[in-house]
Amino acid sequence: AQKVTQTQTSISVMEKTTVTMDCVYETQDSSYFLFWYKQTASGEIVFLIRQDSYKKENATVGHYSLNFQKPKSSIGLIITATQIEDSAVYFCAMREGVGDNSKLIWGLGTSLVVNP
Amino acid sequence: NAGVIQTPRHKVTGKGQEATLWCEPISGHSAVFWYRQTIVQGLEFLTYFRNQAPIDDSGMPKERFSAQMPNQSHSTLKIQSTQPQDSAVYLCASSPPNERLFFGHGTKLSVL
Repeated sequence: AQKVTQTQTSISVMEKTTVTMDCVYETQDSSYFLFWYKQTASGEIVFLIRQDSYKKENATVGHYSLNFQKPKSSIGLIITATQIEDSAVYFCAMREGVGDNSKLIWGLGTSLVVNP
Repeated sequence: NAGVIQTPRHKVTGKGQEATLWCEPISGHSAVFWYRQTIVQGLEFLTYFRNQAPIDDSGMPKERFSAQMPNQSHSTLKIQSTQPQDSAVYLCASSPPNERLFFGHGTKLSVL
């Protein structure tokens, strides 16, 4: 069965530091896609970054990067030089298979608070 | 591009009443998803459409929930005989094929 687990319920960091959020997943498929989304205080959910399972190189977008450890079924999100506006809930999600637009399996989220 | 538009933003219904939630996906997106979000359950998949056709409704409570996509510009989620446990934020998202989801701001449903 597919499952995505985020063990950290909440994290608090100081501004301008680096934070890592953990995510582990379970899947039987050899091909899958991993995503991180962010939900702001207003409720808006926005896409941050994506890792395709067949790619060995860790994805990087702006100050977001991923630590993809396939043997451990782990996809950590790293935010460098955190800013106050990074405070949000971060969700890890997985999509299996090669068919298009199949549903995402979501973790329960990690709440990040960035303090000045 | 206005993004995914969901109306209303807030809806209050009495127990037993019907609620209809609307979603206008981004033009050109082939897939439309409905999710429900609560504190306890997190983000729960309800159903999705591809090119207006229902593809997977495995997350839909069978008896009172239904979703339709009569044309490419809107989808509706209808809840009959609403119950307090239906209170949640209902999120609609659309996407091009095999791409990321674009979410609407959600409809907060409160069943009294």
